Amino acid sequence: ETGVTQSPTHLIKTRGQQVTLRCSSQSGHNTVSWYQQALGQGPQFIFQYYREEENGRGNFPPRFSGLQFPNYSSELNVNALELDDSALYLCASSLAGQGSYEQYFGPGTRLTVT
Amino acid sequence: AQSVTQPDIHITVSEGASLELRCNYSYGATPYLFWYVQSPGQGLQLLLKYFSGDTLVQGIKGFEAEFKRSQSSFNLRKPSVHWSDAAEYFCAVARYSGGGADGLTFGKGTHLIIQP
Repeated sequence: ETGVTQSPTHLIKTRGQQVTLRCSSQSGHNTVSWYQQALGQGPQFIFQYYREEENGRGNFPPRFSGLQFPNYSSELNVNALELDDSALYLCASSLAGQGSYEQYFGPGTRLTVT
Repeated sequence: AQSVTQPDIHITVSEGASLELRCNYSYGATPYLFWYVQSPGQGLQLLLKYFSGDTLVQGIKGFEAEFKRSQSSFNLRKPSVHWSDAAEYFCAVARYSGGGADGLTFGKGTHLIIQP
């Protein structure tokens, strides 16, 4: 069984730039959620994708957007980067409809905005 | 909206001693509750979960947690800690929007330090 993978591991961008982060779901999972974890804080829910559509969204502005592909992999796009976007971005996969709602996390992408 | 409070930012425990990490949640109905552990620079690993039924749930690595509805609590326990248990621990509750459950709402975490 393949776990959740994310790429890249680390990324440095300049304020105002755009970034794309990638996530591959655990095999057999059909739902992907993205979280932002600032240093010393708990993860904060950005959004979730199911059947290639946004299924729920946290308190993040529209410059945070995403995609889910037919193979259930996903992208997180952030436009007009701000210094406060520096964080660990975590992807989690789950299987909708199983009734247990367990989410399994990848190792994360560390984004630094300068 | 659902919320999670972890009152202890840091906890120091001697190796071999027992451990209890506190978690309080806010949600009107029966919550879906989780405990995750995060080692430095790593993603989160699921320790255990509660959905319904028996209020004492067993997890991996010798951890257990007890759901107490009257206290809105879901405290994590371990009878004897090992140095490898040093990590950040997060309590989480499933969040519900108009379409049903989607993401998780996390507490701010408890940093566990193990003394030799």
